[in-house]
Amino acid sequence: GNSVTQMEGPVTLSEEAFLTINCTYTATGYPSLFWYVQYPGEGLQLLLKATKADDKGSNKGFEATYRKETTSFHLEKGSVQVSDSAVYFCALRTYNNNDMRFGAGTRLTVKP
Amino acid sequence: ETGVTQTPRHLVMGMTNKKSLKCEQHLGHNAMYWYKQSAKKPLELMFVYSLEERVENNSVPSRFSPECPNSSHLFLHLHTLQPEDSALYLCASSQDPGQPQHFGDGTRLSIL
Repeated sequence: GNSVTQMEGPVTLSEEAFLTINCTYTATGYPSLFWYVQYPGEGLQLLLKATKADDKGSNKGFEATYRKETTSFHLEKGSVQVSDSAVYFCALRTYNNNDMRFGAGTRLTVKP
Repeated sequence: ETGVTQTPRHLVMGMTNKKSLKCEQHLGHNAMYWYKQSAKKPLELMFVYSLEERVENNSVPSRFSPECPNSSHLFLHLHTLQPEDSALYLCASSQDPGQPQHFGDGTRLSIL
């Protein structure tokens, strides 16, 4: 079946550090891939997406590249800020599915 | 303003109570979803509605009963819940099933 595996947290970084959160997927067909972010006390928000191999999604300084050969969609940011502290979810959707599959989430804490 | 509003934000209830969670979306979307978010577990999709018709029910116990009276409103009726049902319940909507979803801020449910 379709599934997403992302690195377990929590991840704690200092401000301006480089961030990588790993995400790999298993899917039949050609999925679209997403990263969502959940700030404390809020629901999930779409952060970025990529719909085909080699696409790069980007938003708010975050980037992720759809790598079909490694079935990965790792999230990166060159310099994190305290305001980036949140839980990050990797997700996929295949064309013929009515729903999205989410990973377990990775909690990021950025310290000043 | 997320476009998806959930009420109440917090709910404490006993196992014999009956309560309902409400979700309203102001985005003109055709699909609505209920998710359960428990600590350290992937988001669990519970129900999917498209144009007020239920299109997916992921083996959810019958003590959870959804209702979608129109495309803007979604309810989750709760009855005889168990302590393990304590979680954050998230509502989401999308233009059509499987499209990127907009989430509400959730209802934090605690079962005594």
